[in-house]
Amino acid sequence: KAGVTQTPRYLIKTRGQQVTLSCSPISGHRSVSWYQQTPGQGLQFLFEYFSETQRNKGNFPGRFSGRQFSNSRSEMNVSTLELGDSALYLCASSFDRETGELFFGEGSRLTVL
Amino acid sequence: QKEVEQNSGPLSVPEGAIASLNCTYSDRGSQSFFWYRQYSGKSPELIMSIYSNGDKEDGRFTAQLNKASQYVSLLIRDSQPSDSATYLCAVIGGSARQLTFGSGTQLTVLP
Repeated sequence: KAGVTQTPRYLIKTRGQQVTLSCSPISGHRSVSWYQQTPGQGLQFLFEYFSETQRNKGNFPGRFSGRQFSNSRSEMNVSTLELGDSALYLCASSFDRETGELFFGEGSRLTVL
Repeated sequence: QKEVEQNSGPLSVPEGAIASLNCTYSDRGSQSFFWYRQYSGKSPELIMSIYSNGDKEDGRFTAQLNKASQYVSLLIRDSQPSDSATYLCAVIGGSARQLTFGSGTQLTVLP
């Protein structure tokens, strides 16, 4: 069974640009959650999608957005990038929503210059 | 006050010893508790879940939950160098239903 796939794995952007990250969940998993991981703040919850609807959202500015498609694949977008957005962005899937049993992808490491 | 607090460590134990990792949480309505392990350069992986007061054992790992004290712990018996990783405590709150992580405790098992 394939795991959670995230693309791209690494990317470098400059301030002011935007970025789109993609996540393909484990087959059959309907919930996708996104987390930002930095050395200083640890794992911070961004949002959760289930059945193409955002169900929960963390304390991030509106520059951070996402969506989920009918096949459960998800994308997140960060607009007007800031230096502080440099982080590892982790996607996690689960069969159901509001569960702590998450399966994480390898992450997309974003560097903003 | 952070929602989920852990000692950041680093915690070092000799091979074969018991490693004890602790976590406290602030939301008294929390019902679900988890321990994830994250190796350096890798993503977190779930190793234990616990939902009711008491102990839950899985191989060398034991999770302990005390809801009255709002305290969760993870014991690793017969620690091995391969257990060296960052251990993340995570909680689903009573009101905010997303999984909230602590900052993690870095464990090093010395051969």
